[in-house]
Amino acid sequence: DIQMTQSPSSLSASVGDGVTITCRASQSIGRYLNWYQQKPGKAPNLLIYAASSLQSGVPSRFSGSGSGTDFTLTISSLQPGDFATYYCQQTYSAPWTFGQGTKVEVK
Amino acid sequence: EVQLVESGGGLVQPGGSLRLSCAASGFTFNTYGMNWVRQAPGKGLEWVSYITSSTGTTYYADSVKGRFTISRDNAKNSLYLQMNSLRAEDTAVYYCARESEGSAGTDYYYYMDVWGKGTTVTVSS
Repeated sequence: DIQMTQSPSSLSASVGDGVTITCRASQSIGRYLNWYQQKPGKAPNLLIYAASSLQSGVPSRFSGSGSGTDFTLTISSLQPGDFATYYCQQTYSAPWTFGQGTKVEVK
Repeated sequence: EVQLVESGGGLVQPGGSLRLSCAASGFTFNTYGMNWVRQAPGKGLEWVSYITSSTGTTYYADSVKGRFTISRDNAKNSLYLQMNSLRAEDTAVYYCARESEGSAGTDYYYYMDVWGKGTTVTVSS
C-alpha cells in the first residue's frame, strides 16, 4: 500500500496568515493527489483534485501543487472558516490511502 | 440537490453484524462508483471499500476483507455495507462518498466529491 505522510501534524496560525501543508507519498503517484478539509463533527469536503485542480465552489485562496512524491496545499490568507483538519489522499493505486491529517488551529 | 444519507449505525456487540445503507439523490446514481470511508473516534480517515458503477466490481481494505461486503441497488439509488464479525476497532463514523472522475490534461483523476453526514457504529459489550 502507498503510505501518505503529512507535515506538520498541527500548526497554529492567525487570520490573514499564509499556510502551507506538505504531503509526501511513499512512491511516485504522478498527480493522483486530492486534498480535503474536515471540520469537527462534519464530513470531509473536497478542496483540490489532481494535485492542483480547484474543486468547484472552493475559494481561490486554496491552491495545490506538486507531482511524483511531494505535494503542498497552500492557503494564501487564512480565514476564520479555514481552521480545520486537512487530509491528503492518493488515488493512484488501490487501496486509496489518506494522510494522517494536519490540524490548523488558532494562534 | 445532490445528497447522500447514511443510516443503519448503532451499538453492536463484538462478533455481531450490522448493515449500513446510503440513499443517494440528486444525481444519476448508476453512473458513479461509490465508497465507504470510516473515521474512528479522534482519528483520521480510512478508506474501507469501493464498488464500481455498473459491473459491481468491489475492492476492500485489508482490515475488513472477508468480513465486510459492499453492494448497491441502482434501481433504489442505494449503497450498502454488510458488516459481519465486528470488532472493537471497527468503531467509527462511516461515511459513504461518491467517486467522481475529472480530467486534467490527457489524464483522468478520481476523487470523492460528495459525502454523506455519516452514521456511527459502536462495537462494544
